[in-house]
Amino acid sequence: SYVLTQPPSVSVAPGQAATITCGGHLIGGKRVHWYQKKPGQAPALVVYDDSDRPSGIPERFSGSNSGDTATLTISRVEAGDEADYYCQVWDTTSGATWVFGGGTTLTVL
Amino acid sequence: EVQLLESGGGLVQPGGSLRLSCAASTFTFSTYWMTWVRQAPGKGLEWVATIKPDASETFYVDAVKGRFTISRDNAKNLLDLQMNSLRVDDTAVYYCARGPTLTDYMDVWGKGTTGTVSS
Repeated sequence: SYVLTQPPSVSVAPGQAATITCGGHLIGGKRVHWYQKKPGQAPALVVYDDSDRPSGIPERFSGSNSGDTATLTISRVEAGDEADYYCQVWDTTSGATWVFGGGTTLTVL
Repeated sequence: EVQLLESGGGLVQPGGSLRLSCAASTFTFSTYWMTWVRQAPGKGLEWVATIKPDASETFYVDAVKGRFTISRDNAKNLLDLQMNSLRVDDTAVYYCARGPTLTDYMDVWGKGTTGTVSS
């Protein structure tokens, strides 16, 4: 089965940029999607198809994907960005499956 | 506003059953793939099951195959998850999500319902 690897945690000061990585074998050949999950709330899509943003998501959220690593970048981080972030892909290695990374907790210092 | 509202969670003993439901509103439910995703306490998101718009095909994570059944009623805009032979490690918040879309993401999520398996 396909495995997505994320760092458990990332910390950043307000106003700085946060970078969250998602590693997977040749992930650059897949479409990667990112979700924000705050405690007690529903997950929310923040980036889809590697680098597109749903309506209502600030331009501070951006994504890229190449080789074995996809990246979510949050520029000018705000306190309200503190959350868990998950990457996700569709994989057909063992039938159709939708795979999530283990999640990264973003802490705003 | 597009909305998904889950219900049916509760406490059940190991080996028991739960049936979760998800009521969809303000979109053409019958044209969308639908998915259940869960989050166990202290753990990450885990895809559970997906169903095509016409229910002709379903997909499951290996951990629930043979125990869980995803189904839908397009006339009532309802998505269900029948969970049998429940185990302690099935304890989680279960989220209903719209999608995957053509490029495989879930774009709308419900707030979740909690299923607890404990003796």
